[in-house]
Amino acid sequence: EDKVVQSPLSLVVHEGDTVTLNCSYEVTNFRSLLWYKQEKKAPTFLFMLTSSGIEKKSGRLSSILDKKELFSILNITATQTGDSAVYLCAPYHSGGSNYKLTFGKGTLLTVNP
Amino acid sequence: DTEVTQTPKHLVMGMTNKKSLKCEQHMGHRAMYWYKQKAKKPPELMFVYSYEKLSINESVPSRFSPECPNSSLLNLHLHALQPEDSALYLCASSGLAGGHGSYNEQFFGPGTRLTVL
Repeated sequence: EDKVVQSPLSLVVHEGDTVTLNCSYEVTNFRSLLWYKQEKKAPTFLFMLTSSGIEKKSGRLSSILDKKELFSILNITATQTGDSAVYLCAPYHSGGSNYKLTFGKGTLLTVNP
Repeated sequence: DTEVTQTPKHLVMGMTNKKSLKCEQHMGHRAMYWYKQKAKKPPELMFVYSYEKLSINESVPSRFSPECPNSSLLNLHLHALQPEDSALYLCASSGLAGGHGSYNEQFFGPGTRLTVL
């Protein structure tokens, strides 16, 4: 059975702190891993990771994938209150001839001023 | 245009009603998706359309009936729903060669908040 585990499930920090969010996965025919940020409405795309060991960066956010150990991390430095959201990871994989995303339960990040 | 639009934003319906959710994208994407998301839970995949053909149905009850009239539109027809079907329904699309973005990256619409009384 496909499994995606995110940790921690929730996290409360102060502005300026650095956080690391974890995602481990066991899925069939893995192709890539996506990170999304979800505030009140739809998830918004952050990163897509396909290759091991290559860090992707966007401003204060960065992410890396380890395909051997089957996990990914999302780092946020100098957190701001606007970073408060649920962060979802989702491997893109197939269980047959069709590919799909399977989402983890998410990490709820709360950044206090 | 890098946007997925969904209508209506909110919908309240009784268990005997028939209603439809609509989703539209103009990014040239050839894969479109319906997800259901309950409060404080991740999105759960319901259906995938690839080149206007249904390619994945995640064992969704027949009271949900998807339709893809063309490459830009995706509908979800609702009939005889139950109160437990109340949720946020998200549409997403992803590109194939020649469209915006890669096949893997899914762009989500804002969702339709459905309440079944």
